[in-house]
Amino acid sequence: DGGITQSPKYLFRKEGQNVTLSCEQNLNHDAMYWYRQDPGQGLRLIYYSQIVNDFQKGDIAEGYSVSREKKESFPLTVTSAQKNPTAFYLCASSGIKRYGDYGYTFGSGTRLTVV
Amino acid sequence: AQSVAQPEDQVNVAEGNPLTVKCTYSVSGNPYLFWYVQYPNRGLQFLLKYITGDNLVKGSYGFEAEFNKSQTSFHLKKPSALVSDSALYFCAVRDIGRDDKIIFGKGTRLHILP
Repeated sequence: DGGITQSPKYLFRKEGQNVTLSCEQNLNHDAMYWYRQDPGQGLRLIYYSQIVNDFQKGDIAEGYSVSREKKESFPLTVTSAQKNPTAFYLCASSGIKRYGDYGYTFGSGTRLTVV
Repeated sequence: AQSVAQPEDQVNVAEGNPLTVKCTYSVSGNPYLFWYVQYPNRGLQFLLKYITGDNLVKGSYGFEAEFNKSQTSFHLKKPSALVSDSALYFCAVRDIGRDDKIIFGKGTRLHILP
């Protein structure tokens, strides 16, 4: 079955440590997105990529980095510069609208906790 | 600027009663509208969408939404609520022409009371 896989489901980070969240899709989607979700704040866009080897900052990119070396993969690194990284992180992908594929498909999320 | 608003943080409905979760939007062109549902510690699941055509859109789990262009609204409805409908619901609009991203509302938590 096609879908998006996020791993790990739970991740614990020590102060000053970088961690990388994985997002892989087998939907042949061109665009991929990373969101951060905090209680009562909805979804906030961190980074997005509409094509391989290209990505743009979202609304809260500071302290995060991404790469898009393959169409299927869009890993997110939470760096030590992110001062409050404890949150639920969601990855999504989207196809090409001319094919009628207008919505996003979401992964099941990674819950990151600073210890 | 394109935007979507969900005016209620929380909606409480008794089981078996009809439910409505409100959403209004602001776009410069034709709206592409969506509803998603999120259960605890899970990703968002697609419920339904309006792209064009009939103003009443039917989706998963018995949900439907009514597109009202004059009121710029896209309220989510269900005739008879189930306890299992309790979840967080997001309204969204696709911002065609501005990097083509989807803009999400802040979400409405729906509590169905047994």
